[in-house]
Amino acid sequence: QVQLQESGPGLVKPSGTLSLTCAVSGGSISSTNWWSWVRQPPGKGLEWIGEIFHRGSPNYNPSLKSRVTMSMDKSKNHFSLKVTSVTAADTAFYYCARAGGYYGSAFGYWGQGILVTVSS
Amino acid sequence: QSALTQPASVSGSPGQSITISCTGTSNDVGGYNYVSWYQHHPGKAPKLMIYDVSNRPSGVSNRFSGSKSGNTASLTISGLQTEDEADYYCTSYTNDYYVFGTGTKVTVL
Repeated sequence: QVQLQESGPGLVKPSGTLSLTCAVSGGSISSTNWWSWVRQPPGKGLEWIGEIFHRGSPNYNPSLKSRVTMSMDKSKNHFSLKVTSVTAADTAFYYCARAGGYYGSAFGYWGQGILVTVSS
Repeated sequence: QSALTQPASVSGSPGQSITISCTGTSNDVGGYNYVSWYQHHPGKAPKLMIYDVSNRPSGVSNRFSGSKSGNTASLTISGLQTEDEADYYCTSYTNDYYVFGTGTKVTVL
């Protein structure tokens, strides 16, 4: 059974960089699946941030593209997210998720989420 | 890309059926059969309920069904139960990009 687990600082200062990692267990990150980050600001809806495959370039939400970088570490079987120049608007629950396999483009597996607060 | 449009809230009594709409454009919902639906309790992991418009993952109750007509996808919950009370989101995948719906809060009266 594939499991995903987010980790990282729960508090980031304004103008700083948000950095999160998603550890994958029960499957290889080098498999034919796409790995995404999704976030939900308090009281708002879900927003897709971007996806990464083990080959090729990541795809990002155009609204965040200038501030987002995703990468993967195959040796540690995890992938990461960085968001630069954060503001209070980046305060949100951040989820990592997997698409591909039997469910095609749908997100069949999710992490439990991590709350990141941007505040001084 | 704008968010897909969903009603903010839908309610029903136990045993009733409700339908949640998800309206996009011909560039997303209408152009591809890559619509999925998620049940979400805030602060917890979303759960996949429907993928590729109308397919149900194993373990998801057959009370949940999905369909699409033109630029609008729909999720129907039949035999509504108290455990179905949650937020529901649609999403469409197109051109290496996902767009989520605005979300619908389902209340069981």
